[in-house]
Amino acid sequence: QSALTQPASVSASPGQSITISCTGTSSDIGGYTFVSWYQHHPGKAPKLLLYDVSRRPSGVSDRFSGSQSGNTASLGISGLQAEDEADYYCCSYTRSSATLVVFGGGTKLTVL
Amino acid sequence: QVQLVESGGGLVKPGGSLRLSCATSGFTFSDYYMSWLRQAPGKGLEWLSYIDSTGSAISHADSVKGRFTISRDNANNSLYLQMNGLRAEDTAVYYCARRLRGYYFDYWGQGSLVTVSA
Repeated sequence: QSALTQPASVSASPGQSITISCTGTSSDIGGYTFVSWYQHHPGKAPKLLLYDVSRRPSGVSDRFSGSQSGNTASLGISGLQAEDEADYYCCSYTRSSATLVVFGGGTKLTVL
Repeated sequence: QVQLVESGGGLVKPGGSLRLSCATSGFTFSDYYMSWLRQAPGKGLEWLSYIDSTGSAISHADSVKGRFTISRDNANNSLYLQMNGLRAEDTAVYYCARRLRGYYFDYWGQGSLVTVSA
């Protein structure tokens, strides 16, 4: 069981917008602003989409956005495109001494 | 462009050992911290270990501490993960990743599958 909780799946049509939530605790998401999001097309290398909650690396589309409130972080994707169909993982620094960061279980985005 | 390519995965019996390698190119390897992460079948991602740019500081997750060891060879732009005492629950795709800063990983390899089974 992953430390951070994400919905298993979400679906929407091209052009629509979606939000993926990621819920943790005060020991991770709620205690820091070190949240990141990764996009993973199976069989390929995961890709960093957002870091520091809402900052985009160079080359990442501004259709991707991030926010955080309390123990929950969110990834927003606007203007859905077919190539956005992928698995999305949230990640946060954790106060736990057992690991450096914790991940969510992943959300499968289907573009209908 | 930045490339990371893992190798060395395969089928191993419980209790066995395996050494993963990650060949890198397209950036100054010796300037970056590096990490290993994995994804077990049907599960989320899990961070395993990091090593600083010179190899003098390392850290491992409790789940692999004492069994796995990360190392690097800056002369050959390569990262390694020595895995001993493998268990069935270590079955996963293993990824090497470059650490952007702090707690973020900006480039990843495509992964190497490790299967632990009798």
